[in-house]
Amino acid sequence: NAGVMQNPRHLVRRRGQEARLRCSPVKGHSHVYWYRQLPEEGLKFMVYLQKENIIDESGMPKERFSAEFPKEGPSILRIQQVVRGDSAAYFCASSPPNSPLHFGNGTRLTVT
Amino acid sequence: QKEVEQDPGPLSVPEGAIVSLNCTYSNSAFQYFMWYRQYSRKGPELLMYTYSSGNKEDGRFTAQVDKSSKYISLFIRDSQPSDSATYLCAMRKGAGNTPLVFGKGTRLSVIA
Repeated sequence: NAGVMQNPRHLVRRRGQEARLRCSPVKGHSHVYWYRQLPEEGLKFMVYLQKENIIDESGMPKERFSAEFPKEGPSILRIQQVVRGDSAAYFCASSPPNSPLHFGNGTRLTVT
Repeated sequence: QKEVEQDPGPLSVPEGAIVSLNCTYSNSAFQYFMWYRQYSRKGPELLMYTYSSGNKEDGRFTAQVDKSSKYISLFIRDSQPSDSATYLCAMRKGAGNTPLVFGKGTRLSVIA
């Protein structure tokens, strides 16, 4: 019974490149959340999606960041033209309706 | 004032001690309260999930919620070195799948 799967675990990008982070939710979970964690900081909400719909993107930067959760396949968090300040751990979580979140082990993005 | 305040520690205790971890919050709309444990370079793992005021016990862990004081606690009895981790409080407003708001986390070390 696999949990939330995120890949890659580590991602290194040069400034200006694109980063794509993938998340496969727990089988049967229809809600996906993306959070960002900086060193010594808590988890900051970015975006909440259901299949093919963005429900709440109030925590997502207005530029360069986008997220999708297609009908088939994993959820993708995409960061265009990365900058050093984007270096962080990005966590995906999933849940059934009205239930707590289950987190993956994150993708650690380093921008050089 | 931040929505959720949590002392980051670090907190160091001897093996077998009772540990008390706490969070305060400012928004009375929070109804559901959670505690997550996060080991280094891993994703948060759900420990306790409570609704509104009261106590909930699960093995060595007890969660308390005092909505009148906007204060939640996690107690760990007979602490073990394997409990050494960062503990994150989290809460959400109302039912449904509204995003969780996290505290910064308290780093706990249990010394053998």
